[in-house]
Amino acid sequence: GENVEQHPSTLSVQEGDSAVIKCTYSDSASNYFPWYKQELGKGPQLIIDIRSNVGEKKDQRIAVTLNKTAKHFSLHITETQPEDSAVYFCAASTGGYQKVTFGTGTKLQVIP
Amino acid sequence: NAGVTQTPKFQVLKTGQSMTLQCAQDMNHNSMYWYRQDPGMGLRLIYYSASEGTTDKGEVPNGYNVSRLNKREFSLRLESAAPSQTSVYFCASMGQGSPPLHFGNGTRLTVT
Repeated sequence: GENVEQHPSTLSVQEGDSAVIKCTYSDSASNYFPWYKQELGKGPQLIIDIRSNVGEKKDQRIAVTLNKTAKHFSLHITETQPEDSAVYFCAASTGGYQKVTFGTGTKLQVIP
Repeated sequence: NAGVTQTPKFQVLKTGQSMTLQCAQDMNHNSMYWYRQDPGMGLRLIYYSASEGTTDKGEVPNGYNVSRLNKREFSLRLESAAPSQTSVYFCASMGQGSPPLHFGNGTRLTVT
């Protein structure tokens, strides 16, 4: 089955700096790569996703890049703010989307 | 529009006791899922239901049973709870072939 590795497990940045979280996946058939943000006491919520036919996608301060050859994808958050502090999960799934495999999570702390 | 609702929010069980976690969604989604979240392990799929009337095992199904009661409701049952089942349980739903997953806010279960 699919295996998703995520690094780092914790990340502290100063407010205004950038944060980068990296993930690798094992199944070359995976073609959908979402990123979820989980705030304390809440369920994960989608913040951005990318499909295999696209190399990069941006949404305001958030961007995701995908390298299918190397089987890795990354989340970039620019101009970080305290409200970006949360746990972030990467994930991968194949075309049917029925089984989504998650990474182990990154706890991001933005220091004011 | 409440999204995905899970009950209860918190539960403490003794080893060997049974309980059912309830989940309901009001988004007319076909697919529903149960995940467990443990520190350093990310989110792991327990069972899922691709459509009303079907259920399938995920990555960690042992010790659990599920029932897709109707299109809205998907319950998770622990027949004989064990300390290893101490975790936070998340229910999620998804439209037919249409990600992303929509999560509830979780049930925090402690088995002593």
